[in-house]
Amino acid sequence: DAGVIQSPRHEVTEMGQEVTLRCKPISGHNSLFWYRQTMMRGLELLIYFNNNVPIDDSGMPEDRFSAKMPNASFSTLKIQPSEPRDSAVYFCASTDGGAETQYFGPGTRLLVL
Amino acid sequence: GENVEQHPSTLSVQEGDSAVIKCTYSDSASNYFPWYKQELGKGPQLIIDIRSNVGEKKDQRIAVTLNKTAKHFSLHITETQPEDSAVYFCAASWFTGTASKLTFGTGTRLQVTL
Repeated sequence: DAGVIQSPRHEVTEMGQEVTLRCKPISGHNSLFWYRQTMMRGLELLIYFNNNVPIDDSGMPEDRFSAKMPNASFSTLKIQPSEPRDSAVYFCASTDGGAETQYFGPGTRLLVL
Repeated sequence: GENVEQHPSTLSVQEGDSAVIKCTYSDSASNYFPWYKQELGKGPQLIIDIRSNVGEKKDQRIAVTLNKTAKHFSLHITETQPEDSAVYFCAASWFTGTASKLTFGTGTRLQVTL
């Protein structure tokens, strides 16, 4: 299996621009998680989906952030408009909903200038 | 919500020595405790986990212990090697009914020196 796939791996954008991060979970996994990692706050759960339905978005920092999962093999995390404080590494993870182990992707390193 | 504290934040050991990282959690409902290793530029990778009905688990040079009463768990790495150098995260989790929601510790940067 290819594991969790994320794209792009690196993104540099200017403040105010829209940013879209993409994730393909491991085939057969029905739970998907978006995390943000910063030096100050560590690894934070932003939102997670089960069977393509958002279950808990309490970690989404503000309305500028939105996430979708239109099908079992694709999810997006969008930031509009982006701000410098959004600079971080964003990880996607997936798991079989009946299991506990989460498998992480390689992350997207976002820099907002 | 769950709160996980992890110590130390940095740890330097000589090759061949042991390393111990400790975590405490706050929510007695947590029942799953994974440990992840993150190498530079990569995502966290699971290295070992333990469930609340087990007190200790070992996998070659890596072991994890859990004290439910005290709400703390520890990672032990023996005979450390340079390739063990990485950031290690503990986490606590409880099953929500649809998925396990992980709360991570702040990480320990382990440096194994020659």
